Amino acid sequence: NAGVMQNPRHLVRRRGQEARLRCSPMKGHSHVYWYRQLPEEGLKFMVYLQKENIIDESGMPKERFSAEFPKEGPSILRIQQVVRGDSAAYFCASSPTGRNSDTEAFFGQGTRLTVV
Amino acid sequence: GESVGLHLPTLSVQEGDNSIINCAYSNSASDYFIWYKQESGKGPQFIIDIRSNMDKRQGQRVTVLLNKTVKHLSLQIAATQPGDSAVYFCAENQAGTALIFGKGTTLSVSS
Repeated sequence: NAGVMQNPRHLVRRRGQEARLRCSPMKGHSHVYWYRQLPEEGLKFMVYLQKENIIDESGMPKERFSAEFPKEGPSILRIQQVVRGDSAAYFCASSPTGRNSDTEAFFGQGTRLTVV
Repeated sequence: GESVGLHLPTLSVQEGDNSIINCAYSNSASDYFIWYKQESGKGPQFIIDIRSNMDKRQGQRVTVLLNKTVKHLSLQIAATQPGDSAVYFCAENQAGTALIFGKGTTLSVSS
């Protein structure tokens, strides 16, 4: 059973370009969470999704950021018109049930976005 | 602001010693806590969890203690090994909200 798969592992974008980060949850997991980690910082919650639904996007910046988790395929975190401040590690986690069930979430290895 | 934090940003120990990493949380409504280990360049790895109806839980070489009176969480690692060197995060989960992480403690184990 493969773990949470994120790709790419490293992504370099010029300012103003779009960044697309992909996350395939563990098999059987229908809940996905995205977190952002700045250097020397903890992980900040961004968004929680189930298949075809956004459950909680309270941690998402109001502009340029969007996320989806379609019926088929991976979850996508999209950042439009990237700026240098978007440079960070973005982690995806998945769980078999929602966070209300107090279950651990399994994390992927992250995508390290560098905006130049 | 964050409701979960750690007392010390770094901890250095000798191989074979026991390590204790502390965490304070501020929200008494938190009912589930997790310790994660993050090695350089990798994602957080689950170590151990504890629910608020417990005050102690043991795993392999690790023990988590929860003191709800003072809102304190600790991770004890027995016979620390060089492979334990990493950043350790505590995280809390409140019903209906996202997992909230603290800033982390960097554990350095010297031989």
